[in-house]
Amino acid sequence: QVQLQESGPGLVKPSQTLSLTCTVSGGSISSGGYYWSWIRQHPGKGLEWIGYIYYSGSTYYNPSLKSRVTISVDTSKNQFSLKLSSVTAADTAVYYCARVGRSRTFDYWGQGTLVTVSS
Amino acid sequence: EIVLTQSPGTLSLSPGERATLSCRASQSVSSSYLAWYQQKPGQAPRLLIYGASSRATGIPDRFSGSGSGTDFTLTISRLEPEDFAVYYCQQYGSSPLVTFGPGTKVDIK
Repeated sequence: QVQLQESGPGLVKPSQTLSLTCTVSGGSISSGGYYWSWIRQHPGKGLEWIGYIYYSGSTYYNPSLKSRVTISVDTSKNQFSLKLSSVTAADTAVYYCARVGRSRTFDYWGQGTLVTVSS
Repeated sequence: EIVLTQSPGTLSLSPGERATLSCRASQSVSSSYLAWYQQKPGQAPRLLIYGASSRATGIPDRFSGSGSGTDFTLTISRLEPEDFAVYYCQQYGSSPLVTFGPGTKVDIK
């Protein structure tokens, strides 16, 4: 059973960089066959796709966030990470990591981590 | 950009009733890449339906999906108490590669 777990600071100051890591267990990122994704959900709102990465390092980003987002992968640690630069209060959200399964759906999710942007 | 619109915004029903949720796309979506998720408060979304009509692993058969082109439907044949939640549709394929609908909340009447 694949499991994902987000980790990182729950509070980030405006203009700084938000950094989160997703640790995958029960499956190897480097085995291929799946993309790995970040999705966020503003408080009380819907879901917004941020981007995804393949084990090779190929990435796809949401154009609305592309200028500020970097997703990277560390296959030795079976982790992938999100960096979002120049954050504002509008980036306050629950951030989820997820596996991209068949038909490009999100079939396994982490529990989510709330990141608040505030001074 | 494909925009997904879900209706109604809120559906108030009683256990045992049938729920019909709509997802409409601003442009045609490949049926292969239309999915539905269920989200309960404080939890991550759970994949219910992929490829417009295929149930994900472990999903009860009271959940069914249908549709093509720009109109898709999620049907819950008989609502169980645990089905009261928010439901999202999601498409893959057009820039941005992934978009979600705004959600339909199914609450207890």
